[in-house]
This record gives sequence, structure tokens and C-alpha cells, in this order.
Amino acid sequence: AQTVTQSQPEMSVQEAETVTLSCTYDTSESNYYLFWYKQPPSRQMILVIRQEAYKQQNATENRFSVNFQKAAKSFSLKISDSQLGDTAMYFCAFMKPTGNTGKLIFGQGTTLQVKP
Amino acid sequence: NAGVTQTPKFRVLKTGQSMTLLCAQDMNHEYMYWYRQDPGMGLRLIHYSVGEGTTAKGEVPDGYNVSRLKKQNFLLGLESAAPSQTSVYFCASTLTGLVGTEAFFGQGTRLTVV
Repeated sequence: AQTVTQSQPEMSVQEAETVTLSCTYDTSESNYYLFWYKQPPSRQMILVIRQEAYKQQNATENRFSVNFQKAAKSFSLKISDSQLGDTAMYFCAFMKPTGNTGKLIFGQGTTLQVKP
Repeated sequence: NAGVTQTPKFRVLKTGQSMTLLCAQDMNHEYMYWYRQDPGMGLRLIHYSVGEGTTAKGEVPDGYNVSRLKKQNFLLGLESAAPSQTSVYFCASTLTGLVGTEAFFGQGTRLTVV
């Protein structure tokens, strides 16, 4: 069974600085997708970034980028130039292709606080 | 441009009571899901549906039932609520089940069972 682990329950960063959130996963699949979702205090889940396992190039979306290490089964999220609006809980999630069900397996979440 | 809408947003139930959570999406998505979010455990899949009239069990289905009578609606029922079902419930939908498809979430329902 696939598992996703986020070992940092809470993190904080000063505004404008860079922070990296860690995620590891376990799977025997060769093709899959990994996601980072953001959940601000409003509770609304927002897709931040996604990565296909077959792509060697790390995904980037403006200030957000990932470091995808397939062999190590690691998928970290780097937030550059942190802003107060980045304060949220961040979830790492895994989606496998088997069955084409679109089911997500989530990590425990990391609460990030951006300090002014 | 509503996306995924959940009703209600908050609810307090007494042990043994029943209730239904409603999820509605206006994006013509085929797939719909119910997750629950608990502290330190992330989101876990309760039930899901791959199309109108279909339902399937997820990771934590016990104590819940679902129905998908219309494509745009996915209902989650609790027949006899228990304190262990105190949680935040999220509905999500995807256009397809293909790997990599983006899930769109509702704003969640905070349920407390006393």
C-alpha cells in the first residue's frame, strides 16, 4: 500500500525568506503523480503544484518549486520569497494510475506560519 | 462559478442521530469523493464515485453510506453518529480518473458529535 509521510508538523519562516517542506512516500508503482495542496485558515484546499513521476525536470509555479528525487522517494516543496498569505497547512499527496480512480493519498500535513 | 459546494458548513449532532451531507458540483465532473480530515492524519478517503449511479468504498468507509443519484450531487450519510465521526469532511471532484487529474474541493463541513 502506498503511504505518504510529512515529518514536520509545524514550521515557521520570516517573510521574504525561503522555506522547504519535506515529503516522502512509499510505492512500488513506476508512474504516478505527486501534488502539494495548500489549506489556508478558510479551509479551502488549493492545488499548489504537481509533478509527474516520469518527468525528470522539477515542476515550478512562480515562487513554488519542488525537488523530486524519485529514487529516494522524496518530494519537497520550496517556497521562495515567503509572503504572509502563504500561511497555511500544506499537504503532500500521491495519486496512482491503477484503476484510473483519481484517488489521492495524503500526508499528515505541515502547518506553515509566515512571520512579518 | 461555484465549483464544489458543500452543505452544511457546520453541524453538531448527538450520538445516535443521523444526518446527510450534500455535495454539489457544477463542473460536469465524472468522479466525486468524500474525505475526512483529522489532526495528524491528513485527509482519508471515505467513499468515492466514478459516475452517476456508482459508488465504491475508500480507506475508512465504516459508519458511512453514500449515493450518487445525479451526476452533479454526491451525498454522504451518517445513520447513527458516533463521537469518532467528529471530523472535518471534504467533498472533491475530478473531471476524469486519469492519473494527474486535478481534484477540486469544497470548503468542508465541520461536524461535531457529542
